[in-house]
Amino acid sequence: AQKVTQAQTEISVVEKEDVTLDCVYETRDTTYYLFWYKQPPSGELVFLIRRNSFDEQNEISGRYSWNFQKSTSSFNFTITASQVVDSAVYFCALSEDETSGSRLTFGEGTQLTVNP
Amino acid sequence: GAGVSQSPSNKVTEKGKDVELRCDPISGHTALYWYRQSLGQGLEFLIYFQGNSAPDKSGLPSDRFSAERTGGSVSTLTIQRTQQEDSAVYLCASTRQWDYGYTFGSGTRLTVV
Repeated sequence: AQKVTQAQTEISVVEKEDVTLDCVYETRDTTYYLFWYKQPPSGELVFLIRRNSFDEQNEISGRYSWNFQKSTSSFNFTITASQVVDSAVYFCALSEDETSGSRLTFGEGTQLTVNP
Repeated sequence: GAGVSQSPSNKVTEKGKDVELRCDPISGHTALYWYRQSLGQGLEFLIYFQGNSAPDKSGLPSDRFSAERTGGSVSTLTIQRTQQEDSAVYLCASTRQWDYGYTFGSGTRLTVV
């Protein structure tokens, strides 16, 4: 069965600091997708990124970057020069092969607080 | 519509009553999911609809929970004889293709008193 672990329950940083959110996953499938979602105080989950299991290239989008390492089953998320608006709960999620119904398995989430 | 719409946004109900939660997915999205987020917890899968296929109900926590999707569009999640442990935010998501970034609604916050 699949599992996603986000060991950091809460992280607090000061604005402009860099911060990395950890995500470790477990799956028996060779084909799978990894996601990150942001949940601001408003409650709506906002899609950030999707990465498939065959693409280990790191990705950068503005201040956000993601490091996918199959060798350690990790998909970590780094925010560079954090801002107060980055304060939210961040969820890492896993979706396995299409035949399993493509449900998302979420981690418990990391509450990020960026202080001014 | 432009996004996934859920109603009501908030619902307070008495223990033992039945409730219905509604989800309007994005037009053209064939897959629809219900998740539950309890206070301080991650998101728990409840049920999945894909086109005209039989739904995957494996995440429903008890037989008090049921869901249907009419005409391949709107979905209703029904909780019968609500219990206090049913208090949570119920989130609906839809997607056009299984590996796309799912679009979530704002959720229905259910409080059972």
